[in-house]
Amino acid sequence: QVQLQQSGPGLVKPSQTLSLTCAISGDSVSSNSVAWNWIRQSPSRGLEWLGRTYYRSKWYNDYAVSVKSRITINPDTSKNQFSLQFNSVTPEDTAVYYCARAGPKGRAFDIWGQGTMVTVSS
Amino acid sequence: DIQMTQSPSSVFASVGDRVTITCRASQDISTWLVWYHQKPGKAPKLLIYAASSLQSGVPSRFSGSGSGTDFTLTISSLQPEDFATYYCQQANSFPYTFGQGTKLEIK
Repeated sequence: QVQLQQSGPGLVKPSQTLSLTCAISGDSVSSNSVAWNWIRQSPSRGLEWLGRTYYRSKWYNDYAVSVKSRITINPDTSKNQFSLQFNSVTPEDTAVYYCARAGPKGRAFDIWGQGTMVTVSS
Repeated sequence: DIQMTQSPSSVFASVGDRVTITCRASQDISTWLVWYHQKPGKAPKLLIYAASSLQSGVPSRFSGSGSGTDFTLTISSLQPEDFATYYCQQANSFPYTFGQGTKLEIK
């Protein structure tokens, strides 16, 4: 059974970096058939896909244009996890952040982490 | 970006009712359409992928249809655990985008 366990702080100061980690059990971050994603949800923006990392003989990343200049998603094969780094945050980045697997069926997000409520405030 | 528009925004129904939710894409997405539902404080849960394929473990009272720009999710006989917010998502092109949600509430 695949599970994703998120960790990271719930409070970040404006202009600082938001860092979250998603630990994978029951699957491999290096799997050739899935992709590992970050998605956030807020009342003002709804559900918003942020980016992904995936392995197909080498590592690839895709990011939403709206956040591309501020975001990095990295795999960590030694710990079987992946991370989100989001720079220069503002109060508008306050949201629940989810990690999610896009499985082999229909590009759908079939496994989700539990969510982390991140508040950007001084 | 592809815009996803759901209707209605909210719907009141009773246990045993048949409910249909509609999702419209701003451009042709073939059958790259996914449905989720979400309960308060929880992550979304996958129900339907590729417009009409039922995710493993999801009850058969859920069904999806459509292609191109117009899609529907139907719940044939509402159960108490189905009261939640429903989202559609296009998986045709990046950035993947979601509808604004349809809240299904008890009448």
